[in-house]
Amino acid sequence: DAGVIQSPRHEVTEMGQEVTLRCKPISGHDYLFWYRQTMMRGLELLIYFNNNVPIDDSGMPEDRFSAKMPNASFSTLKIQPSEPRDSAVYFCASSGRNYGYTFGSGTRLTVV
Amino acid sequence: GQNIDQPTEMTATEGAIVQINCTYQTSGFNGLFWYQQHAGEAPTFLSYNVLDGLEEKGRFSSFLSRSKGYSYLLLKELQMKDSASYLCAVRAYNTNAGKSTFGDGTTLTVKP
Repeated sequence: DAGVIQSPRHEVTEMGQEVTLRCKPISGHDYLFWYRQTMMRGLELLIYFNNNVPIDDSGMPEDRFSAKMPNASFSTLKIQPSEPRDSAVYFCASSGRNYGYTFGSGTRLTVV
Repeated sequence: GQNIDQPTEMTATEGAIVQINCTYQTSGFNGLFWYQQHAGEAPTFLSYNVLDGLEEKGRFSSFLSRSKGYSYLLLKELQMKDSASYLCAVRAYNTNAGKSTFGDGTTLTVKP
């Protein structure tokens, strides 16, 4: 298994631009999570899906953030418009019945 | 809600044993996880405890006491490569059953 696959690994964008992060979970995992990590705030859960359905999006900072999971093998996290304070590492993770997470390698986002 | 406490930093010597503690408060406990995260990398799953007692896996062991809301991760025969952040995460038994809440992590530095 290739594990959880995220793209891109690094993204540098200008303030105001749209950013789309992508994630392919492990086949057969029915939970998918989007986290953001910064030195100041640690790992923050943004949103998670169960069987492609959003369950809890209370961690999404504001309307500029949106996430979709159109099928069991793909999810996106979109930021529009991006701001410098969105700079962070964004992790996607998936889990199956044992509920242990497998994390992707992360996307390091820098908004200038 | 959930409250998870871990020491921020610890230092130990190569070859020694170190114990990283985690205390938690949650309504409806349903499992505790430990993850390891090297600098610049994604967290990786180390252990899972749902019943009281000690789970041993090679040089790493994890202990849980549900009545005390307490867990520890024990690392034996420390190696330089064990320098990393160790994250405690708790799952609660509620409608958000797939979701784990993470502590802020303990940064372990192993010195020669």
